[in-house]
Parts: sequence; C-alpha cells; structure tokens
Amino acid sequence: SQQGEEDPQALSIQEGENATMNCSYKTSINNLQWYRQNSGRGLVHLILIRSNEREKHSGRLRVTLDTSKKSSSLLITASRAADTASYFCATDARAGGTSYGKLTFGQGTILTVHP
Amino acid sequence: ETGVTQSPTHLIKTRGQQVTLRCSSQSGHNTVSWYQQALGQGPQFIFQYYREEENGRGNFPPRFSGLQFPNYSSELNVNALELDDSALYLCASSLHRGLGGTEAFFGQGTRLTVV
Repeated sequence: SQQGEEDPQALSIQEGENATMNCSYKTSINNLQWYRQNSGRGLVHLILIRSNEREKHSGRLRVTLDTSKKSSSLLITASRAADTASYFCATDARAGGTSYGKLTFGQGTILTVHP
Repeated sequence: ETGVTQSPTHLIKTRGQQVTLRCSSQSGHNTVSWYQQALGQGPQFIFQYYREEENGRGNFPPRFSGLQFPNYSSELNVNALELDDSALYLCASSLHRGLGGTEAFFGQGTRLTVV
C-alpha cells in the first residue's frame, strides 16, 4: 500500500521557473525523504528531514515538513532541463521509537522542465 | 554513483520459473532492503536484511525470499514467477542507526520481464 501521496501527478514548467511538489502521508514518522528517478532507473536520494525538523535546504532544494498536517513539500528553485525526472516522497514510519528503514513511497510526481 | 550494484540489469523469464537477483551493498553499510516497482508506480517494500537476518517484510508472498551474506551483499529469490512479477527490482543499502533512521542508497535496479 502507498502511504505517501504526491501532488500533482505531473508538472510541466519552463527552465528557470520554480517547481513545487507536495506529499501527504498517514502515519507517524521518524523521517521523510525525497528521491529522484530518471527514466525508470535507480532512485537518487535528495534530502532527508526528521520528524522534529520543519525545514531543510540543500542547494536549490527546499523541503518543509508539517507533522500536524502530515504533509511535506519539495521546492526546486531555478529549475533546469536536467531536473526532468520523477520525484518520490518516502516515509520512514515510527516503530516503537526506532526505525528499521522500511520506506513507504508515494506514486510520484513527473516533472518536465522545458528548455 | 551510489556504490550499490545490481545484477543482472535486465532479465526475461517464463511464467513458473525461478529467478535470483543480486545486490552488492555500499561499503560500510550493514542493511539491505529490496523494493518492487511496477510501471508507473512508486517502489513497494519487499523485505529488509540486517546482519544476515530478515528484519521486516512487506506484503509479499513467501515465494519472495532473500539472503544476506557476511559481506552484506544480498540476493532476492522469486519462485513460481507470475506475469505480475514483471517490474523493476531495486536494492537499497543503508547503515542501521536505530533512532531517527537514515537515507537509503539505491542501485540501478534489475528489470524483470515475465512472459
């Protein structure tokens, strides 16, 4: 079953614009992670945000987490054609206070950045 | 490059056959997880191995089994293949740290087609 649900399912923008993707989840979490996948290949880890954090930055990426609303957002600023990919959020659910790293993924957002 | 390697990259099998997929973990990582990703879907957790023992399992039947070796490499075995087993199989390695969890590093996957 999918815990995370990304929104929108697809996003098409021009190079230089910002892209925002949202993720909602259902259970308590230890952390939430964002991954990128190019053309059905392996997933690339982008950023991890822990349940006690509200915002995190990495280069052109900004992730927010609202545990009261069980939601997260990924912002990619000044997008490039090379950012074209599928983006997934994945939750690492709380299990008795520890985490064994079972990630539950959403269905993903397909981002297309036009040159 | 994540340092996680999977073999083979592509595989075609006939319904009813058995298949073994292999994964070499990133150096220093003691945990391996396997995921199944159907076309257009997010990855789904199959199971995880930590220190050579199964450490959590998703909603997959017993014909999906695995092994982890002392060097932390891993195998995924699927018996009695069904057409619906056609998918991208992803291996992820991580360092088990308990509280808070940690990011996973994925291989490029094995594309299995069952005909």
